[in-house]
Amino acid sequence: QVQLQESGPGLVKPSQTLSLTCTVSGGIPSSGDYYWTWIRQPAGAGLEWIGRIHYRGNTYYSPSFESRVTISLDTSMNQFSLKLTSVNAADTAVYYCARWYNKSPFRWFDPWGQGILVTVSS
Amino acid sequence: DFQLTQSPSFLSASLGDRVTITCRASQDIRNYLVWYQQKPGRAPKLLIHAASTLQGGVPSRFSGSGSGTEFTLTISSLQPEDFATYHCQQLNDYPVTFGQGTRLEIK
Repeated sequence: QVQLQESGPGLVKPSQTLSLTCTVSGGIPSSGDYYWTWIRQPAGAGLEWIGRIHYRGNTYYSPSFESRVTISLDTSMNQFSLKLTSVNAADTAVYYCARWYNKSPFRWFDPWGQGILVTVSS
Repeated sequence: DFQLTQSPSFLSASLGDRVTITCRASQDIRNYLVWYQQKPGRAPKLLIHAASTLQGGVPSRFSGSGSGTEFTLTISSLQPEDFATYHCQQLNDYPVTFGQGTRLEIK
């Protein structure tokens, strides 16, 4: 059973870069049926989709984050990563990684990691 | 963007009640609508995909319907473990978007 686990610093200073890693137990298959994706959730708010990466390395980012975000993949380590530059207090949130199943007509995010709280503060 | 509007944002109900949550899309999203359940401090859990297909292991008291721009999630008889926040999500096109969530609480 595939499980995902986020890791990284829980505190980032304003204007710096937020860096998180998602480790996929069970491996990252060379399959076009999956994307690997990041989502965040500010406290008391809804879910915001950040972006996704395919096992071949192609990415797609939400326009809300496009100028500041990079998602990368390391299949040898069974990991994918998120970098968000120039952070401010509004980037304080729980960050989730998830597997996106995408074989039409079936599309969903599952499983999700447990989430990691990142606070932006000096 | 494909905006999703959930209603109500907050719902108070009793054990055994039948409840319905609505998710409206700003444009046609066909049936690429997913429902998740989220409990405090936990990640969202997949309930329903393709608007009406129950994920394995999800109790049959949950059901989904709709296509195009209007969708509903129904819980036929509320159980204690159902009190949570419910999110809809569209996966028809980029960017992926979520509704603002519906918080379901015990009356």
